Amino acid sequence: AQTVTQSQPEMSVQEAETVTLSCTYDTSESDYYLFWYKQPPSRQMILVIRQEAYKQQNATENRFSVNFQKAAKSFSLKISDSQLGDAAMYFCAYRSSASEKLVFGKGTKLTVNP
Amino acid sequence: NAGVTQTPKFQVLKTGQSMTLQCAQDMNHEYMSWYRQDPGMGLRLIHYSVGAGITDQGEVPNGYNVSRSTTEDFPLRLLSAAPSQTSVYFCASSYGTAFRHEQFFGPGTRLTVL
Repeated sequence: AQTVTQSQPEMSVQEAETVTLSCTYDTSESDYYLFWYKQPPSRQMILVIRQEAYKQQNATENRFSVNFQKAAKSFSLKISDSQLGDAAMYFCAYRSSASEKLVFGKGTKLTVNP
Repeated sequence: NAGVTQTPKFQVLKTGQSMTLQCAQDMNHEYMSWYRQDPGMGLRLIHYSVGAGITDQGEVPNGYNVSRSTTEDFPLRLLSAAPSQTSVYFCASSYGTAFRHEQFFGPGTRLTVL
């Protein structure tokens, strides 16, 4: 079974600085997708960024980018120019290409200090 | 579009009581699923459905029943609530396994079992 590990339960960053959240996963499949979800205090799950495993190019969405290392099974999220609104729980998730089932990590709580 | 809706937002039950958490989507999505979120555990899949009349178990199905009589609705039933079922429950939906079809999450239901 696939597993997703987020080794940082909590992280903090100063406003306008850059922070990187770590995620590793374990799978025997070659075709899959990886996601980062944000969960603010409102509880709503918001998709931040996604990566197709067959693409070598790292995904980027405005201030959010990923470092995808397929051989190392690593998928980190970099947030640039951090804003107070970025404070939230961040979850890394895995999905096989043959299924809609998401496997989540335990999450990283990000605090942004003014 | 209302997206994915869940009712109720909050619920308190006594041990042994039964109840149904409602989930509905108006996007004509084939795939629907239920997750539970516990502190420090991330989201875990309870049950899922790939279409009307088809359901299957996820990672933590014990104590829960589901049915899918229509494309729009996917209720989650607790037949005899236990304190271990105290959690936040999320419903999600998507078109299917195509990558570009992201999963949309409902706002969640916070359930407390006394």
